[in-house]
Amino acid sequence: EAGVTQFPSHSVIEKGQTVTLRCDPISGHDNLYWYRRVMGKEIKFLLHFVKESKQDESGMPNNRFLAERTGGTYSTLKVQPAELEDSGVYFCASSQNLQGKAQYFGPGTRLLVL
Amino acid sequence: QKEVEQNSGPLSVPEGAIASLNCTYSDRGSQSFFWYRQYSGKSPELIMFIYSNGDKEDGRFTAQLNKASQYVSLLIRDSQPSDSATYLCAVNPSASGTYKYIFGTGTRLKVLA
Repeated sequence: EAGVTQFPSHSVIEKGQTVTLRCDPISGHDNLYWYRRVMGKEIKFLLHFVKESKQDESGMPNNRFLAERTGGTYSTLKVQPAELEDSGVYFCASSQNLQGKAQYFGPGTRLLVL
Repeated sequence: QKEVEQNSGPLSVPEGAIASLNCTYSDRGSQSFFWYRQYSGKSPELIMFIYSNGDKEDGRFTAQLNKASQYVSLLIRDSQPSDSATYLCAVNPSASGTYKYIFGTGTRLKVLA
């Protein structure tokens, strides 16, 4: 069974540009999550989809971040316009549909904003 | 006070010894607890999860949960150099319908050959 995949693995952009990250969850997992780790800090929750619906977006830092999951399969996270403080590793995870179930993480996208 | 706290380490243990990693959490109603291992530049890999007070064993790994004291620990027996990694504690808060994890900063473990 394929795990969570993310694309791209790395992205280097200039401040003010737009970047779109993609996540493909484990097949059959209705729950999809985005997390972010900035340098020296803990991994922090951004948002949670159940199928195509946003269940919890309490961790989204501001309106420069837009997440979508059309059709309830893969998800995209767009940052527009990117700022220096957006640099970090963006992880996607997926889980089965029960609270407290284990989440399985993808390899992450390393974003550097210059 | 951080919601989930871990000692950042590094924790150094000799090969073959028991490594003990600890985590405390602030949300008393939390129900689900997870340990992940993360090698440098890689994704967090699920090692153990525990929901009930007491011990849960899986191979060389034992997770221990004490809800009254609000801590969860991970013991690694017969530590190997390949166990050298950062170990992340994650907690699912108690709020109904909340699926998100709160992570600690991780403890770096070094197993010395």
